[in-house]
Amino acid sequence: DTEVTQTPKHLVMGMTNKKSLKCEQHMGHRAMYWYKQKAKKPPELMFVYSYEKLSINESVPSRFSPECPNSSLLNLHLHALQPEDSALYLCASSQDMWTTSGSGNEQFFGPGTRLTVL
Amino acid sequence: AQRVTQPEKLLSVFKGAPVELKCNYSYSGSPELFWYVQYSRQRLQLLLRHISRESIKGFTADLNKGETSFHLKKPFAQEEDSAMYYCALNSSASKIIFGSGTRLSIRP
Repeated sequence: DTEVTQTPKHLVMGMTNKKSLKCEQHMGHRAMYWYKQKAKKPPELMFVYSYEKLSINESVPSRFSPECPNSSLLNLHLHALQPEDSALYLCASSQDMWTTSGSGNEQFFGPGTRLTVL
Repeated sequence: AQRVTQPEKLLSVFKGAPVELKCNYSYSGSPELFWYVQYSRQRLQLLLRHISRESIKGFTADLNKGETSFHLKKPFAQEEDSAMYYCALNSSASKIIFGSGTRLSIRP
């Protein structure tokens, strides 16, 4: 399996709701990423997990809470979001975040979850 | 500051014409540069990287350190090349910095 999968494809939630986005890969990758992509903009890095530990948090508000239960799964828990948080949320994985050359740091992207906050 | 600049938001060329998507970067050190492509309704995917020096789908990109550029080129555009193209820089520890993207539209 050489794909990153994400569920759900679409999510609509209110500002008081709690929801979670899920990401899964079975390529044996040890680095996993969350990106946020607004319409007509490039992806912006939110979090990086390396070997199931949070390595990078790009000053993301605490209403976004990542979790990496095992090396294949990555979750993003959402609570008390704002309408401006509506975006496409992309998950990606790579073999290893510390490889500086070769294919080890190629990131494979999932199809994304389109989130709408009402 | 680490930055990737794609000056063209939209590039429209006729089928069979040459294509060049511009990318300039700012990075202190040895950069690792990529081109990612996002076709309509498909996921973002790696097109090519400067390290491998390969040609993918007829596209090539050469790293020019003197001009700090990594332009993407194809001699003869095809309709299926229509997509959003992002130039990206691997800054450190796999933190990818994306350019703002260029939408390539191939006219029949």
